[in-house]
Amino acid sequence: DTGVSQDPRHKITKRGQNVTFRCDPISEHNRLYWYRQTLGQGPEFLTYFQNEAQLEKSRLLSDRFSAERPKGSFSTLEIQRTEQGDSAMYLCASSLAGSSNTGELFFGEGSRLTVL
Amino acid sequence: RKEVEQDPGPFNVPEGATVAFNCTYSNSASQSFFWYRQDCRKEPKLLMSVYSSGNEDGRFTAQLNRASQYISLLIRDSKLSDSATYLCVVNIQDYKLSFGAGTTVTVRA
Repeated sequence: DTGVSQDPRHKITKRGQNVTFRCDPISEHNRLYWYRQTLGQGPEFLTYFQNEAQLEKSRLLSDRFSAERPKGSFSTLEIQRTEQGDSAMYLCASSLAGSSNTGELFFGEGSRLTVL
Repeated sequence: RKEVEQDPGPFNVPEGATVAFNCTYSNSASQSFFWYRQDCRKEPKLLMSVYSSGNEDGRFTAQLNRASQYISLLIRDSKLSDSATYLCVVNIQDYKLSFGAGTTVTVRA
């Protein structure tokens, strides 16, 4: 499978614990995005990378959230001291620079987080 | 105000019917517009781009009205497999897509 892959697919954790999600984009894609989606809502932009540079972070991304893409390939999204409000589907997407104007983001299947 | 607003539906239609819905966007500087489809518990996937002159892709027709800042999607001859949530998407900046909350369509036999 050469699509975007995310791990883990599901994570249940207790409030206050840290969690980390990993995303492996399509190999030739230099742009990588993180979105968050809650029930009944569309995906909300969190952050994006072009190669290894994190170029924008949404104000939705509190200081408990950190994302990295150290070698410009896979990315991790860490949430520290999780809160119940963090429960959501965390979607990763990738694209080629410039092609974002075509609207073609390729999403992974998401990592569903449940904070008890 | 949300950047993209959609009627959540649900639109419940029989097979073969035509269903249409739209969305509005707030940023008049938006450059590109799209419809994505999201099946239950699946990831969003691009359905089609929306061009100023309107465009068709098989049974799907998209229209853009820049003056009124709304985008529409029409589905003709609905199939059971068209049941999904349709996300209206606007390109705010080069890299940044803003998604509506989605319109749910259910096609019944």
